Amino acid sequence: GQSLEQPSEVTAVEGAIVQINCTYQTSGFYGLSWYQQHDGGAPTFLSYNGLDGLEETGRFSSFLSRSDSYGYLLLQELQMKDSASYFCAVKNSGGYQKVTFGTGTKLQVIP
Amino acid sequence: EAGVTQFPSHSVIEKGQTVTLRCDPISGHDNLYWYRRVMGKEIKFLLHFVKESKQDESGMPNNRFLAERTGGTYSTLKVQPAELEDSGVYFCASSHSQIFTEAFFGQGTRLTVV
Repeated sequence: GQSLEQPSEVTAVEGAIVQINCTYQTSGFYGLSWYQQHDGGAPTFLSYNGLDGLEETGRFSSFLSRSDSYGYLLLQELQMKDSASYFCAVKNSGGYQKVTFGTGTKLQVIP
Repeated sequence: EAGVTQFPSHSVIEKGQTVTLRCDPISGHDNLYWYRRVMGKEIKFLLHFVKESKQDESGMPNNRFLAERTGGTYSTLKVQPAELEDSGVYFCASSHSQIFTEAFFGQGTRLTVV
């Protein structure tokens, strides 16, 4: 089977940097994605790592290490609107469309 | 362009009743997915349609769940009879290509079975 672990909650100060880690166990790993979900809203795609290394998109960056089965999402210059749940998701090469999500990390940004 | 829309946004039903959820994907998106999030747990894959065909339904929990996509446009997910453990948020997503990372999610239907 597949499993993903990420912290359940993180609190950070506005303007600071926060890192949300994700470790996974899966067969036939294809790539790691990150999604953001505000309360009551739809999950929104943030980033995807198919290869090792860092992907940067504005204030958000995502990192992947295949050898360590580990990735993280880095949020810089935190804003109050970044308060949301963040999910890592593994795309399995064996099940092309079956993406497995983690349990989510609830980020609270405080003034 | 309209996004993925789901109806209803909330549904409260009694155990044993039937509920039908609807998803209207983005126009022209052949790929449609259903996911479910049970309170505090991960978002779990239920099934994937390509047009009107079920590409993968390995995530459907049991035969009380029936998904259809007649005509390859909107999709329905019926739960009959509903059980308490079916409570959760049901998400629909659609994509034009088969690259899931390009999928767009709907707002979800919050189902509460009492």
